[in-house]
Amino acid sequence: EVQLADSGGGLTQPGGSLRLSCAASGFDVGTTYMSWIRKAPGKGLEWVSVIYGGGSTYYAQSVWGRFTIFRDTSQNILHLQMNNLRVEDTAVYYCARGKGYAWGQGIQVTVTP
Amino acid sequence: DIGMTQTPLSLSVTPGQPASISCKSNQSLLHSDGRTYLYWHQHKAGQPPQLLIYEVSKRLSGVPVRFSGSGSGTDFTLKISRVEADDAAVYYCMQSIEHPWTFGQGTKVEVK
Repeated sequence: EVQLADSGGGLTQPGGSLRLSCAASGFDVGTTYMSWIRKAPGKGLEWVSVIYGGGSTYYAQSVWGRFTIFRDTSQNILHLQMNNLRVEDTAVYYCARGKGYAWGQGIQVTVTP
Repeated sequence: DIGMTQTPLSLSVTPGQPASISCKSNQSLLHSDGRTYLYWHQHKAGQPPQLLIYEVSKRLSGVPVRFSGSGSGTDFTLKISRVEADDAAVYYCMQSIEHPWTFGQGTKVEVK
């Protein structure tokens, strides 16, 4: 059975860093594409980043240069390293297999002065 | 970036009645590989989103048959043939023909 279990997140100040993790089971994160999508309070869904099986990565302009998506294939975990966080990054972050064929339960990230 | 526009932004439906949501993109989502990269997600409060429809009209396994997608090029529609109480949610269209992937604003469906 395909499952995604995400962890990490929490509360930090502007300029801080957090790392999100998404442990996959039932498939290999290294052989498919994985994405991060977020939902900010009062806003709609927003795509954040994707990593493809071959390793290429893409980012939303709003996070480019601050966030890094990567994976640990030995542990079958997807990560999102978030640096220089801003108040506007406050959201529930979801990892997803591909374009949403499976989802993690969501991780709250709060950035507040 | 490709703009995605959904209408209406909210919908109130009586159980058993149909519902329809429109999604328009500002450029064609038909790829040279012959596929059209338009998806529909359902998002209920407190839960992760759920992919309902991929590539315009293909229902994901386990999605009720009352959900259907149609359209081509830049104009797409999600239809619920007979709305049930469990269908109360926000529905989003999404394109992935190019990066950044972009979503419509979302359509909130209320079941009376």
